[in-house]
Amino acid sequence: NAGVTQTPKFRILKIGQSMTLQCTQDMNHNYMYWYRQDPGMGLKLIYYSVGAGITDKGEVPNGYNVSRSTTEDFPLRLELAAPSQTSVYFCASSGSHEQYFGPGTRLTVT
Amino acid sequence: DAKTTQPPSMDCAEGRAANLPCNHSTISGNEYVYWYRQIHSQGPQYIIHGLKNNETNEMASLIITEDRKSSTLILPHATLRDTAVYYCIVRVVSNQFYFGTGTSLTVIP
Repeated sequence: NAGVTQTPKFRILKIGQSMTLQCTQDMNHNYMYWYRQDPGMGLKLIYYSVGAGITDKGEVPNGYNVSRSTTEDFPLRLELAAPSQTSVYFCASSGSHEQYFGPGTRLTVT
Repeated sequence: DAKTTQPPSMDCAEGRAANLPCNHSTISGNEYVYWYRQIHSQGPQYIIHGLKNNETNEMASLIITEDRKSSTLILPHATLRDTAVYYCIVRVVSNQFYFGTGTSLTVIP
């Protein structure tokens, strides 16, 4: 099993650009999550999904969108990048309890 | 809002037990307590979880007070590789996990 994979690993965006962060899991987990982590801070939940076709907002959803068309994939969309979205983004999936995290995407918006 | 409170940092001598406290005074009866750790900038790693009873696995032990308002993660024999940020998390019924700022544990040789 590859577990949770995220692409890209690094990205630099200009203000106003758009991009999609990809997340895929091969553990057949129903639950998937997107977090962001700012320097020296803990993780903040952006969006989560309890199954294909079902998504919901977390603590900090503004400026982001998600979709969950399959069990495996949970992409995160940034429509109009802003400097405040400079952060490390982690995707995670879980079955009944343990969350498995991807390696993260380091995004810089300038 | 984070539902847990942890000390920002702790030190522990190598080979000794590391006891990491966590307060979760607003926890509801059906909410679990989870512990994760994050080494450098890697994705967090699951350690252990519990609801009411004390739990033990190959990595650590989790002691939850009877009123469930606090818990302690115990690493029985800390090694240098246990140096990390440790997060105490409450999982709410909607399956959301709320991470706080964690405790930065430094294991000293």
